Amino acid sequence: AQTVTQSQPEMSVQEAETVTLSCTYDTSESDYYLFWYKQPPSRQMILVIRQEAYKQQNATENRFSVNFQKAAKSFSLKISDSQLGDAAMYFCASGQGGSEKLVFGKGTKLTVNP
Amino acid sequence: NAGVTQTPKFRILKIGQSMTLQCTQDMNHNYMYWYRQDPGMGLKLIYYSVGAGITDKGEVPNGYNVSRSTTEDFPLRLELAAPSQTSVYFCASSRNRDVQADTQYFGPGTRLTVL
Repeated sequence: AQTVTQSQPEMSVQEAETVTLSCTYDTSESDYYLFWYKQPPSRQMILVIRQEAYKQQNATENRFSVNFQKAAKSFSLKISDSQLGDAAMYFCASGQGGSEKLVFGKGTKLTVNP
Repeated sequence: NAGVTQTPKFRILKIGQSMTLQCTQDMNHNYMYWYRQDPGMGLKLIYYSVGAGITDKGEVPNGYNVSRSTTEDFPLRLELAAPSQTSVYFCASSRNRDVQADTQYFGPGTRLTVL
């Protein structure tokens, strides 16, 4: 069974600074995918970034990038030039190739201070 | 294009009452999902559907029922509400089956309290 662990219940960052959110996972599958979802106070779940496990290159989406360490089963999210609108809960999730099911971590609450 | 919509946004039920949470998507997605999010936890899959007329259980299906008569709609039914079902419920949809091929798009959620 897949598991996802987010060890930081809360993080804070100053506006314009960089912050890294941690995520570790465990899976016995070779074909899997990793995601970061953002959940602002509106509760809407928004996909931030995704990473295919077979790709060595780290995914990037504008100010968001990941550090994917496959051997260590680590998948951290780096947010550069943090903005007030980045304040939200961030969930790490994993999915197995060929499956419709996602497994979520417990989330990290990010506060951005002006 | 509204995406995934859910009604109601909030609801308070008494123990033993029944209700249906509505979910509609206008993206012509084949796959739809119901998740619950308990306080301080991530999302857990309740039920999912791969198309009209086809549904299957997820990780936590007990106490719930679903139906999928159309591509657009995927209602979640609680027959005998219990305090353990107090949670935020999310509906999601995706075009294809597996996370390899597509992303799941989420609705805004329904906050349900059972007293």
